[in-house]
Amino acid sequence: DGGITQSPKYLFRKEGQNVTLSCEQNLNHDAMYWYRQDPGQGLRLIYYSQIVNDFQKGDIAEGYSVSREKKESFPLTVTSAQKNPTAFYLCASMPTRGGGTQYFGPGTRLTVL
Amino acid sequence: QKEVEQNSGPLSVPEGAIASLNCTYSDRGSQSFFWYRQYSGKSPELIMSIYSNGDKEDGRFTAQLNKASQYVSLLIRDSQPSDSATYLCAAHEGNQFYFGTGTSLTVIP
Repeated sequence: DGGITQSPKYLFRKEGQNVTLSCEQNLNHDAMYWYRQDPGQGLRLIYYSQIVNDFQKGDIAEGYSVSREKKESFPLTVTSAQKNPTAFYLCASMPTRGGGTQYFGPGTRLTVL
Repeated sequence: QKEVEQNSGPLSVPEGAIASLNCTYSDRGSQSFFWYRQYSGKSPELIMSIYSNGDKEDGRFTAQLNKASQYVSLLIRDSQPSDSATYLCAAHEGNQFYFGTGTSLTVIP
């Protein structure tokens, strides 16, 4: 059963804590992306990665970090430096050959307590 | 700054009518365009992609692209209550996708 999985579905963070959001794909896609969505707003790019061991900052990378040690996995850490992390986080992937179409995981809803 | 703009709506149409959603983009380098549907609390799902000028039809959905006018649209024929959602327009250029803020559609039974 191919697709993109994200875990957990809901996550609660206390102020000052780092939390890590998981994103895994078995679609053999080279590129992976992290977006943040706030109510009534569009998707804002946090980080993206085109190949293993390489990633680039998006528009709102401050307070976030990522790693890409395996093609299938692109975890996102929300650090304590991110002052307003409550949002819906979406992971996406796409092939880099044969026409690019992004597919999304189910998302993680992060709430700061 | 590359921008994709959509009317936020809300757009309301009666069941069975045609819903028309519009999108403009600022970067002439954008090569391909996508429409995603997003139900409340869920992630976006791809419904249409279009790469060349003209119309592309898939079932009740028709995407239209006019690169000279930097304009993309989505028509939904025979609208159903299950079409009620937010529709996101996206432009692909280089390594990134650029998303609009979405148009909220409500189909009234």
